[in-house]
Parts: sequence; structure tokens; C-alpha cells
Amino acid sequence: AQSVTQLGSHVSVSEGALVLLRCNYSSSVPPYLFWYVQYPNQGLQLLLKYTSAATLVKGINGFEAEFKKSETSFHLTKPSAHMSDAAEYFCAVSSGGSYIPTFGRGTSLIVHP
Amino acid sequence: SQTIHQWPATLVQPVGSPLSLECTVEGTSNPNLYWYRQAAGRGLQLLFYSVGIGQISSEVPQNLSASRPQDRQFILSSKKLLLSDSGFYLCALDPGPANTGELFFGEGSRLTVL
Repeated sequence: AQSVTQLGSHVSVSEGALVLLRCNYSSSVPPYLFWYVQYPNQGLQLLLKYTSAATLVKGINGFEAEFKKSETSFHLTKPSAHMSDAAEYFCAVSSGGSYIPTFGRGTSLIVHP
Repeated sequence: SQTIHQWPATLVQPVGSPLSLECTVEGTSNPNLYWYRQAAGRGLQLLFYSVGIGQISSEVPQNLSASRPQDRQFILSSKKLLLSDSGFYLCALDPGPANTGELFFGEGSRLTVL
């Protein structure tokens, strides 16, 4: 079985501040991990993915995430928030033979000027 | 590259009416296809997935059904809508052949049941 927990349904930061969105996963086998972004009334877009290569993964729009097996975490970070980063962010895990992903409940990122 | 078209984009339906949401994909063959629902303030709920024509797996028992009549067409249906069916419906694909769970999403269909 696999599951994802995103800590904090809302995260609020000031423009230019560090962004940290937390994701912890549970999987009985080595997982693939993903972060997606969703803007209002749109579908989800892949930000980055971990597929058992480098543990520090860089994605689009300046985001990156680090896979930490000992902590079962895959937190998303960005050094400096921009107003355009305001969106909903989803962490997802897939594993096992079917690789059907399980999504977290999402974290809404609010960026203040 | 693959693209996903969802139709209609928005829909307002009365309780008890039928539903048909269509998803068509381009730029890929034999993808795994998914229907997700996103209710207000909640995450993504997997409704159905399909690994091929006529092959549908249901994840949640409900009054919705899905069909895959062609390789690149995935349809979500209901005979009688409930108020609880309101939400944002997303079609997604995993292009394969090495399915990893990385999904590409359509733009969604917003359903309001009144």
C-alpha cells in the first residue's frame, strides 16, 4: 500500500521568501515521487519527479525537491517566492507493478506582496 | 507530445439528469487513462482507470461509470446525477510503455449539479 501526507493545507509566504511545502510518503517498495502544480480552473502540471536517480531533483520554475529515504520525505522548496507561484501543489507517489499514483490532499500556496 | 482534450469545459445539470464527459487524447498510443474528481477543498479522488480498450477498473463505488470504446477515448457517464457528483473532473494519461505513474492532465470539466 502507498500513501502521501501533505502537511498544511495552506502555506503563506511573502514575496522573495523561502517556499517549503512538506510531503511525507509511505510505500512498501521503492517509490516514484512527483510534485504537480495546479492553477485555478486548470489541470495539473508536473513540476518535478524522483525516479530513483539523483536524490536532489530540480524542476521547472526554480523549484526543487530532495528525496530522503530515512525520513520518507520529499519536500518541495524554492529559494525565493514569486507572486506567480500562488497555486495549489500536489505531492504524489507511485510504486509497485501497476504504478497507479496516489495524490496528497494538496497545499495551497499564498504569496503576499 | 501528447495532448488531452476534455469536453465540455463546464456543465450545469439538474439532479437526476444523465451525464457524459468525454476525454480524447492525441500524440500517444495505448496509454493508461484515468478519471479523477476534485471536490472543493479536497484532493484528487481516483474514480476509474483503464489500461486498454474496454478495460475499466473502478476505484470508488458510486453512480458513475466509465467506458473506453477506442484507444484514445475515455468517457465518464452517469444515468442519474446526485448533488454530491458536483466537482472538477480531470482526465489524465500515463503514456507508457514504462509506466511510472507520471501523469499528463487535461484542462478539466467543471460539473455543477443543482
